[in-house]
Amino acid sequence: ETGVTQTPRHLVMGMTNKKSLKCEQHLGHNAMYWYKQSAKKPLELMFVYSLEERVENNSVPSRFSPECPNSSHLFLHLHTLQPEDSALYLCASSQDYNREETQYFGPGTRLLVL
Amino acid sequence: GENVEQHPSTLSVQEGDSAVIKCTYSDSASNYFPWYKQELGKGPQLIIDIRSNVGEKKDQRIAVTLNKTAKHFSLHITETQPEDSAVYFCAASRSARQLTFGSGTQLTVLP
Repeated sequence: ETGVTQTPRHLVMGMTNKKSLKCEQHLGHNAMYWYKQSAKKPLELMFVYSLEERVENNSVPSRFSPECPNSSHLFLHLHTLQPEDSALYLCASSQDYNREETQYFGPGTRLLVL
Repeated sequence: GENVEQHPSTLSVQEGDSAVIKCTYSDSASNYFPWYKQELGKGPQLIIDIRSNVGEKKDQRIAVTLNKTAKHFSLHITETQPEDSAVYFCAASRSARQLTFGSGTQLTVLP
């Protein structure tokens, strides 16, 4: 596969469930990002990892927990979510966090919290 | 921090006509301005970008203009086609570390 892939594409979960979103980039990039996309709102940056180290955490509730085991994989662990967390979660990657590099997005995971 | 405003939120044009989407930004130090296209069920894809040392950039039917003094930049699509229908996002960045996105424009090209 090429580019940035995300699984699952769709997820329905209850507020007491624990689930994980997975992202994989096949571009040899060093930086990976999680964004939240809600209807009629700008994309919200959640987390950034550069060379497997978290470099940004934009005041995201602790019920969202990222993990970056290596430069190609990024996870978002979810637990005790709220209905307002329902959104499209996008993963992106870029070649180098410290340069003006293009971010490449995956197709997203559509999350519905009941 | 940076604030990016995008207008209009929806835009309908006849096939073959031109479409223009405008964005303004607040941080005068911003120097990188990408545009993304998001089709239904897909993630945003970069279609064109411009850096602060350039006033205009073209790629076939797509062009972007930048006015640093006024702190605004625009996306121009000429000879629109049905496949141009999508949501378009502008973004701005001062250090490449964090892109600030506009709220998006739903473009519909009517046959």
